[in-house]
Amino acid sequence: QVQLQESGPGLVKPSQTLSLTCTVSGGSISSGGYYWNWIRQHPGKGLEWIGYIYYSGSTYYNPSLKSRVTISLDTSKNQFSLKLSSVTAADTAVYFCARGSYYLDYWGQGTLVTVSS
Amino acid sequence: DIQMTQSPSSLSASVGDRVTITCRASQSVSSYLNWYQQKPGKAPKVLIYTASSLQGGVPSRFSGSGSGTDFTLTISSLQPEDFATYYCQQSYNTPWTFGQGTKVEIK
Repeated sequence: QVQLQESGPGLVKPSQTLSLTCTVSGGSISSGGYYWNWIRQHPGKGLEWIGYIYYSGSTYYNPSLKSRVTISLDTSKNQFSLKLSSVTAADTAVYFCARGSYYLDYWGQGTLVTVSS
Repeated sequence: DIQMTQSPSSLSASVGDRVTITCRASQSVSSYLNWYQQKPGKAPKVLIYTASSLQGGVPSRFSGSGSGTDFTLTISSLQPEDFATYYCQQSYNTPWTFGQGTKVEIK
């Protein structure tokens, strides 16, 4: 059974960089066939897809966030990571990692990141 | 970006009711349309993928239909555990986009 778990600071100061890691167990992120995704959900709101990385390292980012987002892989640790730079209060959200092909079949539980001084 | 519009935004229903939620795409997404259920404080869970395929372990009272721009999620007989928010999502084009959600509440 594939499991994903997000980790990282729950509080980030404005203008700083938000950094989260997703640890995958029960399957290898380098086995191919899946995209490794980040999605966020603002408090009480809907879902916003941030981007994904493929096992080859190729990435696609939502154009709305592209200038501030970096997603990377660490195959040795079976992890992938999200960096979001120059954060503001508008980036306060629950951040989810998820595995996907044509649909997102396994999700982490989500982690709340608050941007505040 | 492909815009996904769900209707209604919320509904009240009773246990045993048949519930239908619709999702409309701003352009054709072929059959690359997925449905998720989210309960408070939890991650979304996929129910239906590629418009009509039931994810393993999901009860058969859930079904999906449609293609192109118009899609439907149907719950044939609403159960207490089905009270949640439902989202559609297209995976036809990046950026992948979600509908705004439909909250199913107890009448």
